[in-house]
Amino acid sequence: GENVEQHPSTLSVQEGDSAVIKCTYSDSASNYFPWYKQELGKRPQLIIDIRSNVGEKKDQRIAVTLNKTAKHFSLHITETQPEDSAVYFCAAKNSGTYKYIFGTGTRLKVLA
Amino acid sequence: NAGVTQTPKFQVLKTGQSMTLQCAQDMNHEYMSWYRQDPGMGLRLIHYSVGAGITDQGEVPNGYNVSRSTTEDFPLRLLSAAPSQTSVYFCASSFRVGGQETQYFGPGTRLLVL
Repeated sequence: GENVEQHPSTLSVQEGDSAVIKCTYSDSASNYFPWYKQELGKRPQLIIDIRSNVGEKKDQRIAVTLNKTAKHFSLHITETQPEDSAVYFCAAKNSGTYKYIFGTGTRLKVLA
Repeated sequence: NAGVTQTPKFQVLKTGQSMTLQCAQDMNHEYMSWYRQDPGMGLRLIHYSVGAGITDQGEVPNGYNVSRSTTEDFPLRLLSAAPSQTSVYFCASSFRVGGQETQYFGPGTRLLVL
């Protein structure tokens, strides 16, 4: 079946450094790739997304890149701050279905 | 708007008991879904609905039932609770406008089955 692999499972960076989280998807028909941030005890919240007709999207300190040929996409956070500490999930979806397939999450720790 | 709401926030059940997790949204979203979140396994889709009267199975549907009689409500029923159903359950709703889609999650229900 379809799956999304996410790496790394944990990531520690110094405040001000950059963080990169990578996901690989299996369903070549996937064309929508959202990223969610989940703080401890809270609900997942959408932080950025990208569609298959775009290679890169940026929103202030966060950006997402997509390589359709290789079937992988990445989240980039620059100038990390302590409040960026959370679990980040990637997901993939085929517009012909309603099913979102999630990665297993990355726990990001930003060290002050 | 309250967004997506879920009740209860926390529940303890004994093996074999049944219960219903409630989910409601006031955004008139067509699509609603239930996920369970377990450590190290991300979010897994249990059931989803693309509109009132229409439901379908996700990745892990066994042991759960759903129905969608209105646009607003999408309850999840545990027929006979098992310890393996101990998890955090999230309801979500989404809409599509001009090909753009956004999914919103509820606050979650933490379920412990003894």
